[in-house]
Amino acid sequence: QSVLTQPPSASGTPGQRVTISCSGSSSNIGSNTVNWYQHLRGTAPKHIIHANSQRPSGVPDRFSGSKSGTSASLAISGLQSEDEADYYCATYDDRVNGVVFGGGTKLTVL
Amino acid sequence: EVQLVESGGGLVQPGGSLRLSCVGSGFRFNDFWMTWVRQTPGKRLEWVANIDRDGSDKYYVDSVKGRFTISRDNAKNSLYLQMDSLRADDTAVYYCVRDRYTLGFWGQGTLVTVSS
Repeated sequence: QSVLTQPPSASGTPGQRVTISCSGSSSNIGSNTVNWYQHLRGTAPKHIIHANSQRPSGVPDRFSGSKSGTSASLAISGLQSEDEADYYCATYDDRVNGVVFGGGTKLTVL
Repeated sequence: EVQLVESGGGLVQPGGSLRLSCVGSGFRFNDFWMTWVRQTPGKRLEWVANIDRDGSDKYYVDSVKGRFTISRDNAKNSLYLQMDSLRADDTAVYYCVRDRYTLGFWGQGTLVTVSS
């Protein structure tokens, strides 16, 4: 059982906008910033959003993040086939002095 | 270019031990906290342990406390995870990750399988 809650799956057609939610508690999302990771099978997970809404260099601006209270979300606009991957949210949890993750959302581009 | 390369994974019997290694390059290794994260067969990601820049502060997820030990050798740009008393539920791909909070760079991972 993961500490943060994500929907197990999401889908959209090319060009659409999809959002993935991430729910936590006051000890994790409520008091720390949220990061998002994209994991394509057979590759290393890739950090695509940090500090709730900041994109590392090289990440397209189609990817955006937001946070409110103890929840966060990742939005992907102009969906492309190469966006098909597993997406994980994560944040620091003060109770364990470590990072906690969501269970992951499998995004399918129809 | 930041690179993290893990090694040391394999098949081990329950109760056995393994030592994972990770070599970092493309950045000043001793400027960063380092972290081990594992991905279970069900694709769940789990933080395992982290260690501060000089190795003096270490933290572990409850399920590995007393069995796993994280360490580093900054002279060799290397991170380690000594895993003892391994159990079936330790089976996972283990990733070496740079940073404490952002987890900005990940290695390709090394597979650990605990089975008789």
